[in-house]
Amino acid sequence: EVQLVESGGGLVQPGGSLRLSCAASGFTFSNYAMTWVRQAPGKGLEWVSSFSSSGSSAYYADSVKGRFTISRDSSQSTLYLLMNSLRAEDTALYYCAKNFASGIYSNMDVWGKGTTVTVSS
Amino acid sequence: EIVLTQSPGTLSLSPGERATLSCRASQSVSSSYLAWYQQKPGQAPRLLIYGASSRATGISDRFSGSGSGTDFTLIVSRLEPEDFAVYYCQQYGTSPQTFGQGTKVEIK
Repeated sequence: EVQLVESGGGLVQPGGSLRLSCAASGFTFSNYAMTWVRQAPGKGLEWVSSFSSSGSSAYYADSVKGRFTISRDSSQSTLYLLMNSLRAEDTALYYCAKNFASGIYSNMDVWGKGTTVTVSS
Repeated sequence: EIVLTQSPGTLSLSPGERATLSCRASQSVSSSYLAWYQQKPGQAPRLLIYGASSRATGISDRFSGSGSGTDFTLIVSRLEPEDFAVYYCQQYGTSPQTFGQGTKVEIK
């Protein structure tokens, strides 16, 4: 069974940092691009970042560019999101998603349950 | 950035009725790289349609997608109780990828 399990969320003060992890299983992790999507409380979905299967292409939403870094460890089948300089507006449920293909220009066909990030003093 | 505008914001229908959801893009969506997702309260989104009209694995044929360019439609032919949810369209052909604001399909 294809499964994605996010972890690493929590309460952090403005300006702080967090690293989210997404453990993947049930598929060949290195063959697929991966994506982070977030959802603020009561709001819609917002694409955050995608990383190609090869690791050669990483893209970010303007709202997080320069503050967030996506990475992956194929030996551990894990996707990461390092979030620095966090702001109140980063408060959201963060989903990890598997892309349908190896490139980032593909839809997301499997989603995790998400991990909650709260930025507040 | 491609802005996706979904309409209506809320659709109030009864089980058995047909639901028609619209997604309009501010510029042409590359290669019909348009997907539809369903999200129920407290759950992650679920892929329904990709490539504007291809059903994802395991998705009922009551769901169909169509459109190209800037205008896309999701139709649920006969609403079942489990279909009442929020639906999002997403374009993934141009960075940044973007989502519509969602259409809520509620029980009338």
